[in-house]
Amino acid sequence: SAVISQKPSRDICQRGTSLTIQCQVDSQVTMMFWYRQQPGQSLTLIATANQGSEATYESGFVIDKFPISRPNLTFSTLTVSNMSPEDSSIYLCSVEVGGDAAFFGQGTRLTVV
Amino acid sequence: GENVEQHPSTLSVQEGDSAVIKCTYSDSASNYFPWYKQELGKRPQLIIDIRSNVGEKKDQRIAVTLNKTAKHFSLHITETQPEDSAVYFCAASYSNYQLIWGAGTKLIIKP
Repeated sequence: SAVISQKPSRDICQRGTSLTIQCQVDSQVTMMFWYRQQPGQSLTLIATANQGSEATYESGFVIDKFPISRPNLTFSTLTVSNMSPEDSSIYLCSVEVGGDAAFFGQGTRLTVV
Repeated sequence: GENVEQHPSTLSVQEGDSAVIKCTYSDSASNYFPWYKQELGKRPQLIIDIRSNVGEKKDQRIAVTLNKTAKHFSLHITETQPEDSAVYFCAASYSNYQLIWGAGTKLIIKP
């Protein structure tokens, strides 16, 4: 397994501003994943972040809106830029361990007002 | 690409009874099938997983079965308890460790 620390756990932000979410893992991992989860919904993959290369974004998500950093094998950040109320959601980072199993950070509950 | 369908969306069972949640997948190359439990306000937690070379796996009251021919897999929970109430997600993986997620099942255990 892996211990993943994600922060902040929640935030209330003004529209038009940006929020950076941090994810720290207690071991080195190749890939980190960023998800969005609307209340009562499944997980939607935003992007996959590999160390040393640009993140790979899923359809509907773009780098200008969700820039990602992956400076080393234990850390990543996701920024939600120029926020609008539609960006209100739970954001989760995840890592794969043992080749398959995904483990998650505790999530960031974002409310944009 | 891969698609995972999960049923039912809501399942209500009497405490002590069994619960079964089913998922189907579309890509026969998928080879890893985990199940996650997510309690309200918490992160998804891996509860059991199965690989394509195995037909069934058990862990105490929880079991998962896989039918590769039919491309479906199921989660079985026996002797359900109130703490089993949660949303359960199935997923399938076929490349780059990227999981494709089902829509989720809200399991309600009635006392």
